[in-house]
Amino acid sequence: DSGVTQTPKHLITATGQRVTLRCSPRSGDLSVYWYQQSLDQGLQFLIQYYNGEERAKGNILERFSAQQFPDLHSELNLSSLELGDSALYFCASSGRQSWYGYTFGSGTRLTVV
Amino acid sequence: QKEVEQDPGPLSVPEGAIVSLNCTYSNSAFQYFMWYRQYSRKGPELLMYTYSSGNKEDGRFTAQVDKSSKYISLFIRDSQPSDSATYLCAMILNNAGNMLTFGGGTRLMVKP
Repeated sequence: DSGVTQTPKHLITATGQRVTLRCSPRSGDLSVYWYQQSLDQGLQFLIQYYNGEERAKGNILERFSAQQFPDLHSELNLSSLELGDSALYFCASSGRQSWYGYTFGSGTRLTVV
Repeated sequence: QKEVEQDPGPLSVPEGAIVSLNCTYSNSAFQYFMWYRQYSRKGPELLMYTYSSGNKEDGRFTAQVDKSSKYISLFIRDSQPSDSATYLCAMILNNAGNMLTFGGGTRLMVKP
């Protein structure tokens, strides 16, 4: 157990729907990162939050949004889902010195049908 | 062209072999380098991180960075079947909000 908890583990939903992925960071970590992993694109950075505030944004679609709550857990909201959104979504967390690397959760596998 | 290039493999080796995994990158501003191991359907697990050019050793693993050539390597000695996984290199710019940029990963298979 890495200490980063992601729920749900699997999600199957239809096109056009909206889903919420949840992440609890490792105890003491203030930064939360969201990554998307697909077969053809590899691990792609979506967004980072630090202590409740957005810190950095990657190639995150406008249909996607995220937030980090006062208890530091984070949610990634995906709306108007398309078949191409099917992927593994990983959350990771880090302390202040994130160049030592992140700790990843086990991911949420999203299948859009 | 991607910022970080990594041969996708698969790389198949016999048990006990020395494995060499490599990444090249194009942005000389990358300062910190990591290697992650990812088993099928699991999250990436940090193996090693390094900052400076040179070698860093941890058990059977050695990470090597050559900033002048923009080239990093991971060596695995005495490879085991349990090392079979996808290995991802990752790196951070000095001031990029701590965002990791990953290579595409190399799939390694160690055969008994």
